[in-house]
Amino acid sequence: QITLNESGPTLVKPTQTLTLTCTFSGFSLTTSGEGVGWIRQPPGKALEWLALIYWDDDKRYRPSLRNRLTITKDSSKNHVFFTMTNMDPVDTATYFCAHMRIRISGVFFDPWGQGTQVTVSS
Amino acid sequence: SYVLTQPPSVSVAPGKAARISCGGDNIGHKSVQWYQQRPGQAPVVVIHYNNARPSGIPERFSGSNSGDTATLTITRVEAGDEADYYCQVWDSGSDHVVVFGGGTKLTVL
Repeated sequence: QITLNESGPTLVKPTQTLTLTCTFSGFSLTTSGEGVGWIRQPPGKALEWLALIYWDDDKRYRPSLRNRLTITKDSSKNHVFFTMTNMDPVDTATYFCAHMRIRISGVFFDPWGQGTQVTVSS
Repeated sequence: SYVLTQPPSVSVAPGKAARISCGGDNIGHKSVQWYQQRPGQAPVVVIHYNNARPSGIPERFSGSNSGDTATLTITRVEAGDEADYYCQVWDSGSDHVVVFGGGTKLTVL
């Protein structure tokens, strides 16, 4: 059974850097074909994909936020880390990490962590 | 960048069929996923690769994809199906990015 759990600060100040950790079990990021993604959801709004990392350390980012985002992994500890710099109140959202299922035809997220609420406010 | 367009809301009476559309340029050439998100919960995939149902998802959920529109169909709608539904594709032609639709609120009357 695959499970994921997000952890990190619930409150950050504007201009600060957000760092979140996704701790997972039930799969290994050393295994070919595995991956983890980060998705956020502002209050009352739609899902917004942010970043993903593959087992081979290939990384992809949302183009409009690319210069603020970093995703890394520690496969030995089953952790994926996500950082977003220069936080702004508009970045207030629930942040989810999710296991990626990967095929030649595409990728999707299953399952998801429960999400962690992040508020940006001074 | 690739854009997916969903209607903001769909309403349906219990026992009837609900159809939620997801529009995108030539989306029929892409693999489409559908997620159900109940209030306060994380999304759950109900359809992947256009029309495949994960284990545990009722047969009432089905998907189709052709031309510029993908569709999620829920037959014999139940009160428990009331949720937000999101479509998603992987845009391999544009730096391998993931795209979500804007979501559709399904209301069971």
